[in-house]
Amino acid sequence: QKEVEQDPGPLSVPEGAIVSLNCTYSNSAFQYFMWYRQYSRKGPELLMYTYSSGNKEDGRFTAQVDKSSKYISLFIRDSQPSDSATYLCAMSEMKTSYDKVIFGPGTSLSVIP
Amino acid sequence: SAVISQKPSRDICQRGTSLTIQCQVDSQVTMMFWYRQQPGQSLTLIATANQGSEATYESGFVIDKFPISRPNLTFSTLTVSNMSPEDSSIYLCSVAYGGRPTDTQYFGPGTRLTVL
Repeated sequence: QKEVEQDPGPLSVPEGAIVSLNCTYSNSAFQYFMWYRQYSRKGPELLMYTYSSGNKEDGRFTAQVDKSSKYISLFIRDSQPSDSATYLCAMSEMKTSYDKVIFGPGTSLSVIP
Repeated sequence: SAVISQKPSRDICQRGTSLTIQCQVDSQVTMMFWYRQQPGQSLTLIATANQGSEATYESGFVIDKFPISRPNLTFSTLTVSNMSPEDSSIYLCSVAYGGRPTDTQYFGPGTRLTVL
């Protein structure tokens, strides 16, 4: 079993739709969770981060963590064509300053005008 | 934020040769990372490169295959040695100003390598 799993997609939605992107993980020690967005032929950029369980909202984006289920989600409201990208979840145990970050393989999202 | 450039942006190489990838940052940063991103695979950390010390390699990656230099706080190189088709991938560098991998990482645009 891979440490972090994501449905690779591609996920195609019409403009304005609500998008749900998800990751599952196997390491119960993970407590710091991030979402990176990667446009084609670009490097990933940090979108949001959350610590432990709960929700965090930033504009049209909401990150949700359910540690009991080892499941995290990123919701995008009123999706725009500019949201078309690959979304990578990432997580870390964060027990020490040098705990590395484990990335998921990414979900490709296409928002159709 | 950081502006990170990588050279070359892409290359096609022959089996058995080596390629050196350069990563330049527009400001000084202590911690720099090198990743590999293969199609459908997770972004995988190759090594962490801190200025003034030897790079720290992750399991499955060795210095003889991926030698790294970090001569100053704005520049690093990764060499992919004795290449095989399995080395075909996108190689990315990133930096973290906070000094920890969990701090916001800023990535370069990547180097697309194809080995024939």
